[in-house]
Parts: sequence; C-alpha cells; structure tokens
Amino acid sequence: EPEVTQTPSHQVTQMGQEVILRCVPISNHLYFYWYRQILGQKVEFLVSFYNNEISEKSEIFDDQFSVERPDGSNFTLKIRSTKLEDSAMYFCASSEFGGSSYNSPLHFGNGTRLTVT
Amino acid sequence: SQQGEEDPQALSIQEGENATMNCSYKTSINNLQWYRQNSGRGLVHLILIRSNEREKHSGRLRVTLDTSKKSSSLLITASRAADTASYFCATVLTTDSWGKLQFGAGTQVVVTP
Repeated sequence: EPEVTQTPSHQVTQMGQEVILRCVPISNHLYFYWYRQILGQKVEFLVSFYNNEISEKSEIFDDQFSVERPDGSNFTLKIRSTKLEDSAMYFCASSEFGGSSYNSPLHFGNGTRLTVT
Repeated sequence: SQQGEEDPQALSIQEGENATMNCSYKTSINNLQWYRQNSGRGLVHLILIRSNEREKHSGRLRVTLDTSKKSSSLLITASRAADTASYFCATVLTTDSWGKLQFGAGTQVVVTP
C-alpha cells in the first residue's frame, strides 16, 4: 500500500539553526499538510498546500516557517531559525482530494522528531 | 475553543473484551475522523463519518455520531493485543478548509493478553 515517507526520522539541531524536514507524499495525492505534536500535547495543524501554494496556515506557522514542493515528489518544511519550543514530532500528510465537498482521509507519515538544543 | 476531547484518557482491557471511547466537540463539523497512533509512529486513519451519518462500521470498529449532543464514540470489539495504541478523534469544522483537522488529546488503550 502506498505510504507517506518522511526523512530524517530524528533531527537534532542547535537553537538558531535552519532545518529542513522532508516528505514524499503518496504519488497521486494533490493536497499536502504539515502537523506537529509537542511531547504530551495534541497534534496541531500547521499548514495545508495545494497547487503550489499555501491553502491555509495556523497561527503557529509564522514567518520562521515555509513550505515548498521543489519537484514532483518532495514536500518540505523549513524552519529558518529554530527555537527550543520548536522541539516536536512533525508529521507530513497527504490526501487525494480536498475542499469541503470531499471527504478523503489524510495519510500520515511516521514523523520527524525534531530536537532543538 | 477546544474540539475533540476524548474520554477516557486511558483504558486498560483484556484481549477479547470490547473497548469504547468517546469524543466530544463544541462547534459544527463537516465530518469526524478517528485515527490510531502506535507508539513512536504516525497516525493511521481508521474511520471517517460525515455529519449526516449516524453510524459506520469497519471490521471490528464501530463509530457513532450524535450531532445533537456533539459527540462520537468508537467501539473496538473483541480487542487484540495489537489494538494497543492511542486513539484520536479529529474534526473538520464547517468553517475550515478540508485537511485542517482538529485533534483531541487521545485515549491510550492497553490490551493485555
């Protein structure tokens, strides 16, 4: 069964450094997402992406965050200058359809655990 | 406002027993979904129930939705050790775009052989 893959599985970085988290969504999916889960807290929506642009972003997704689909297969999340509070598990997800008239589930990757020291 | 609050926070049962967990939400939804997360892994979609549906089944899973009470339940019948995981409900609000899921804190289920 096709799956969403994320690399690396674990990333350790120093505060102030830039990190890029990578994701390969399911090949025929058109909608892409990033979520994060701080240890012990709820899974939180960060951003949705469709047709090479951001569809929606949360308050968490400030100017330090950016997303990109550099080619036909990868979807990346960049954090420009990491903070201690960015430490979390970051999940990439994709779905075949989007929009309120569709009800297709999200397929999540296994996540990248980001540790900022 | 907080959406998708699960109850109980933790559940411990023996193999063969049924496990029931509940989810309550505050705002009108387009649909409600249940996901499972094994320790250290990603979220796996289990069932999606639309706001105009009342009950759905998938294998040993049964989900109900009561929009008048703004609540949903997930029943796992004849549980197995492999069902040990955290279970999350997630809602898509009528005011939000597709894919913006609002997750609850989850119910941690432990099934002992």
